[in-house]
Order: sequence, then C-alpha cells, then structure tokens
Amino acid sequence: AQSVTQLGSHVSVSEGALVLLRCNYSSSVPPYLFWYVQYPNQGLQLLLKYTTGATLVKGINGFEAEFKKSETSFHLTKPSAHMSDAAEYFCAVSELDNYGQNFVFGPGTRLSVLP
Amino acid sequence: DGGITQSPKYLFRKEGQNVTLSCEQNLNHDAMYWYRQDPGQGLRLIYYSQIVNDFQKGDIAEGYSVSREKKESFPLTVTSAQKNPTAFYLCASSQDSPINNQPQHFGDGTRLSIL
Repeated sequence: AQSVTQLGSHVSVSEGALVLLRCNYSSSVPPYLFWYVQYPNQGLQLLLKYTTGATLVKGINGFEAEFKKSETSFHLTKPSAHMSDAAEYFCAVSELDNYGQNFVFGPGTRLSVLP
Repeated sequence: DGGITQSPKYLFRKEGQNVTLSCEQNLNHDAMYWYRQDPGQGLRLIYYSQIVNDFQKGDIAEGYSVSREKKESFPLTVTSAQKNPTAFYLCASSQDSPINNQPQHFGDGTRLSIL
C-alpha cells in the first residue's frame, strides 16, 4: 500500500511571502498525485493534479506543484501568499487495489497567513 | 451544476441511537467513498463502492454500515456499535478509470455530535 507524508502539520507565512508545502509519497509505479484544499467546515476542493506529461502542474488560485520522481516528491508552492490562502492542504495519491481505485491522503498541513 | 450533496450539515445523536448520513451525487460517477475526519488525523476511509450493489470496507469500517442501491446515492449509517462517532464525515465520488487518474469530488460534509 502506498503512503503519503506531509512535512509540517502547521506552516505559517507572512502575506506576500512564498508558500511551500511539502509532500512525499511511496510508490513503485508511476503515481497519480493530487493536492486538495479544505476551508473550515467544508469539503475538499481540488487544487491541481499530476497524471502524466509536464512535471510542473499549475492549479487554481495561483498554486503550482512539481513532480520529482527521483525525490518521490510533489511539493506545492505559491509565489505570494494571500490571506485567503489560510486553510488546510492535503496531498493524495491514487492507487488501484483489488477492488478498484482508491486514494491515500497525507495527514494535512494547516497554512496560516500572517498580516 | 453537478456536485455532491451531503445532508444534514449538522447532526446530533443520543447515545445508543443509529443515525444515517445522506450522500447524493449527480455527476454520474461510478465510485463513491465515505471518510471520517478527526482533528489532526486527516481523512480515514470508512467504506467505498465502485458499482451499484457492491461496496468494500475501508480502514475503519467497524460500527458503520452502507448501502448502494442506486448509482447516485451512498448513505452511511453510524450504528450504536461505533463508540466514538463524534467527527466530521465526508462523502466523495470519482469517475471510474482503468488507469486510476481521476480525482475525487467532495461534498461539504456532515458534522456529527453526541448529546
């Protein structure tokens, strides 16, 4: 079974500063990777996904992530943080088990944006 | 607009009672999932279903039951056997894909509390 780790359960940045949220996965086959954002008392919203092709993936709200196979990483970045970016972020990997498609989520990183 | 609807948003239960959480999707997705979310623990899979009239246990199925009588509906029953049911419950769906590269779409969740 695959696993996903997110370094840092809580990250704080100043408004306008670079956002970097880390995600590493364990996989022996080409992975399909996703980043989701969750605002309080809401469901998860897809930010971006990597399936095949270009390793630098652009998503919504100015976020992007780079797939690095050699490092088994899929870190999420945004050049300039905005107050509205404060939320919880989840990295996930898709896998096929005996039954069908399943998803493994990381534990999440809470992003705080300081004025 | 297509999406996933979870109801109710908030639910209160007395100890010893069974309660059913509703999840309906109009995305024509084959696969549906139920997750439990506790603070600091990310998402844990309860049950998932890839096709009507079939479903599989996830990592924490004890004390829960599901049914999948219709493609668009996947209700979750929290039984009295679930000793610690207070949590945020999320329903998700995804399009079936032979290469498991489709993301999940999430509802806005149901927060269950014990009185």
